[in-house]
Amino acid sequence: GQNIDQPTEMTATEGAIVQINCTYQTSGFNGLFWYQQHAGEAPTFLSYNVLDGLEEKGRFSSFLSRSKGYSYLLLKELQMKDSASYLCAVRDSSSGGSYIPTFGRGTSLIVHP
Amino acid sequence: NAGVTQTPKFRVLKTGQSMTLLCAQDMNHEYMYWYRQDPGMGLRLIHYSVGEGTTAKGEVPDGYNVSRLKKQNFLLGLESAAPSQTSVYFCASSQGPHTGELFFGEGSRLTVL
Repeated sequence: GQNIDQPTEMTATEGAIVQINCTYQTSGFNGLFWYQQHAGEAPTFLSYNVLDGLEEKGRFSSFLSRSKGYSYLLLKELQMKDSASYLCAVRDSSSGGSYIPTFGRGTSLIVHP
Repeated sequence: NAGVTQTPKFRVLKTGQSMTLLCAQDMNHEYMYWYRQDPGMGLRLIHYSVGEGTTAKGEVPDGYNVSRLKKQNFLLGLESAAPSQTSVYFCASSQGPHTGELFFGEGSRLTVL
């Protein structure tokens, strides 16, 4: 199984940059996802990393280091609408080869003016 | 595009009653999942299916049953509802084990009195 850790809550200022970390312990790693979830809504896909390095997508970037079991989501030029929960999910072979994603508990990001 | 559709969106049950949540996807995805989300607990996997006619247990399967008689549908049943099953339930689907992100339905809020 996996052990996925992310901070419970973070706060940041509009226009700033924030980094949300995710650490994991797993076997047969097969990719890491980041999802955004606004209150009362479904999670929506942000990024997917399977190789080491940085993936950039507009204001959002995601980084992965497989050797360290570490990822981060970087949000630039923060906007009020970025206030949401950010979910880290790891896919590995612990489900007998079915590669089912397991989610961390999520990080609640509060952006204030 | 409908994507992933869950019914019903809201339901209130009395302890001991039974009900079924229906999930339907129109993306021809092989994999389907049922998660529950509770405050501070993140998304926890109840059951999943890797193809029509197959199901498997996730992290928290007790008190739930599932069926995948058709590729596009994944049903979650509660035979005898308990207050501990009060939660928000999310269905998701994905292409397969190594590819593609999860697409989520809008969620079903279930309250058991």
